[in-house]
Amino acid sequence: AQSVTQLGSHVSVSEGALVLLRCNYSSSVPPYLFWYVQYPNQGLQLLLKYTTGATLVKGINGFEAEFKKSETSFHLTKPSAHMSDAAEYFCAVTSPSGSARQLTFGSGTQLTVLP
Amino acid sequence: ETGVTQSPTHLIKTRGQQVTLRCSSQSGHNTVSWYQQALGQGPQFIFQYYREEENGRGNFPPRFSGLQFPNYSSELNVNALELDDSALYLCASSSQLAGEGETQYFGPGTRLLVL
Repeated sequence: AQSVTQLGSHVSVSEGALVLLRCNYSSSVPPYLFWYVQYPNQGLQLLLKYTTGATLVKGINGFEAEFKKSETSFHLTKPSAHMSDAAEYFCAVTSPSGSARQLTFGSGTQLTVLP
Repeated sequence: ETGVTQSPTHLIKTRGQQVTLRCSSQSGHNTVSWYQQALGQGPQFIFQYYREEENGRGNFPPRFSGLQFPNYSSELNVNALELDDSALYLCASSSQLAGEGETQYFGPGTRLLVL
């Protein structure tokens, strides 16, 4: 069974400050990992993903995440927050084995960007 | 290239009724997954369809059923609606043939309210 824990249901940062959203996963096999963003009243937009290869993954809108197997983590960062980054962020995991690549999501982190 | 579309955007039903939600997958995608997102929570996997067959199911009762059509569009049917079925229902499409079947692209969702 897989699970995802997102530490901090709400995170507030000042505009221009570092954004750090935490994600830890549990998986019996090497996982595929994802970050999605959800703006109010919208669906989920893929920010970035890790499957294999380089453990530092760059995504859209200046976000990046690093897969750390020893820490079972996949934290999302952005060097400088922008007001438009305010949204809910979801970390998700899936298994590369099996045909049904269902995503298991964390409970989300609401990011607020203060002027 | 068209993205994932869902209809309707909003729906209000009463307890005990039945509902059908529709999803058109992204161009070139042959797999559709459905998720339920209750307020303040992460999405929960309902089931996945590939080549018109159910290809995996989450922890949802049989009154949640689905279909996939030859053009890869899909329906989610929920019978005997309960108050707890009130949620955002998200459809995601992916391609098992493109070598990245793990990446799911989401539609905007259908918000269902059960009174």
